[in-house]
Amino acid sequence: GESVGLHLPTLSVQEGDNSIINCAYSNSASDYFIWYKQESGKGPQFIIDIRSNMDKRQGQRVTVLLNKTVKHLSLQIAATQPGDSAVYFCAEKMRGGYNKLIFGAGTRLAVHP
Amino acid sequence: DSGVTQTPKHLITATGQRVTLRCSPRSGDLSVYWYQQSLDQGLQFLIQYYNGEERAKGNILERFSAQQFPDLHSELNLSSLELGDSALYFCASSAWGQIDSGANVLTFGAGSRLTVL
Repeated sequence: GESVGLHLPTLSVQEGDNSIINCAYSNSASDYFIWYKQESGKGPQFIIDIRSNMDKRQGQRVTVLLNKTVKHLSLQIAATQPGDSAVYFCAEKMRGGYNKLIFGAGTRLAVHP
Repeated sequence: DSGVTQTPKHLITATGQRVTLRCSPRSGDLSVYWYQQSLDQGLQFLIQYYNGEERAKGNILERFSAQQFPDLHSELNLSSLELGDSALYFCASSAWGQIDSGANVLTFGAGSRLTVL
């Protein structure tokens, strides 16, 4: 299958620390990447996106890094807060007319006080 | 509130039955996407409609069908339900037909949880 969520890795951090969530994407032809946050009982919520012609993009407290050489995407969250606790998904879109997002399995972020 | 409205929030039904899930996109969005989220398969793309027409198709079963109406709301019909169809079904919308940044970022609704007994 394209996206399998058999095992959900968990990242545990202390409140105030920086968090780094990693994602290995599958297709070198992907030209657009996006991070979503999903809290329990809610739908995925947009965090930040990046096109393949960039290697870094910053938002408010979040930074996305793209390494096309090794097909790796990361999400950095500065000064992690309890409200950041959620499952984080990366998603990729292939170049061309293949208009769909392929989601990764997700990483659970647990923030401890 | 994302602006994407899905009903019902929860649905419990029996195997072999048929259900319809409804989605109203964000105001002004022309494109609607359906995704299925199950424990063992993650978020899987089912189908996309743009301004009333099918635009892209994913791993949608033949027992499932969807449509987008002139007022741009969409319905996902699931028939001959099986236990394995139990999942969260998400609708997302975007301004235009091509996934991209800005107004074309997919905005998701809160989902419809389907339980098949």
